[in-house]
Amino acid sequence: RKEVEQDPGPFNVPEGATVAFNCTYSNSASQSFFWYRQDCRKEPKLLMSVYSSGNEDGRFTAQLNRASQYISLLIRDSKLSDSATYLCVVNKSGTYKYIFGTGTRLKVLA
Amino acid sequence: ETGVTQSPTHLIKTRGQQVTLRCSSQSGHNTVSWYQQALGQGPQFIFQYYREEENGRGNFPPRFSGLQFPNYSSELNVNALELDDSALYLCASSTGDRSSTDTQYFGPGTRLTVL
Repeated sequence: RKEVEQDPGPFNVPEGATVAFNCTYSNSASQSFFWYRQDCRKEPKLLMSVYSSGNEDGRFTAQLNRASQYISLLIRDSKLSDSATYLCVVNKSGTYKYIFGTGTRLKVLA
Repeated sequence: ETGVTQSPTHLIKTRGQQVTLRCSSQSGHNTVSWYQQALGQGPQFIFQYYREEENGRGNFPPRFSGLQFPNYSSELNVNALELDDSALYLCASSTGDRSSTDTQYFGPGTRLTVL
C-alpha cells in the first residue's frame, strides 16, 4: 500500500463548479500536511498547509481527519486557471522528508 | 517566485554517462532536498542535505550522490545513467534541523532525458 494515495483523475468540471479531492495516508505518525499545485512541466508550488482545525484561503478549503487518516481539498467557484495537478504531501513527525501522492489532475472547462 | 534556482533547465545524456545538476537555495535556508519526478508520478525523495551533511536518503542507489556547499547551494550527481533516470529533478530549500523541516520551496527543476 502506498504511503499517500490520491485519485489521479482527471476531474473535468465546468467553470463555477465546486470540486473536492481526498487524499489518504497510511502512517498515523504523520504530522504535517500540505497541498501543492503543479502546472504542466513546472515545479510544485505550495497551495496551503493543512491544520487540524481546517483552514480556508479564499475559494480553497483544506480539512484534516486524523481518525480516518485523510485530508481533503475543496475548491469553490472553479476558474479555468485552477486547471492543474494537485499534490497531497505528508511529513512524518520527527523526519525531514516529504512524501507525495501521485497527484490529482483537475481540468476546468469553459 | 521562491528564490530557488536550478541549472541547467534541460539536459540530454546517453546511457552510462554522468551528470551534475545544481541548485541555489532561497536566502536564509539551510536545508536542501532533492526529488525525482517521473512522468505521471509525484516527486520521490532522493536525499536531503543539512548544513553540508547528508541528512537522510530515500530508496535510491549509491550512484545518486550529492553535495552541499557552505553557502547552502547543492549539487546532485548521477553516475552510470540509465534510461529510467529520465525525469524532472527538483530541489527544494527550507529551514529546519536534523529531524524536521519547515515548508519546502521548490526550484523550477531540471528535465533530464537519457537516450
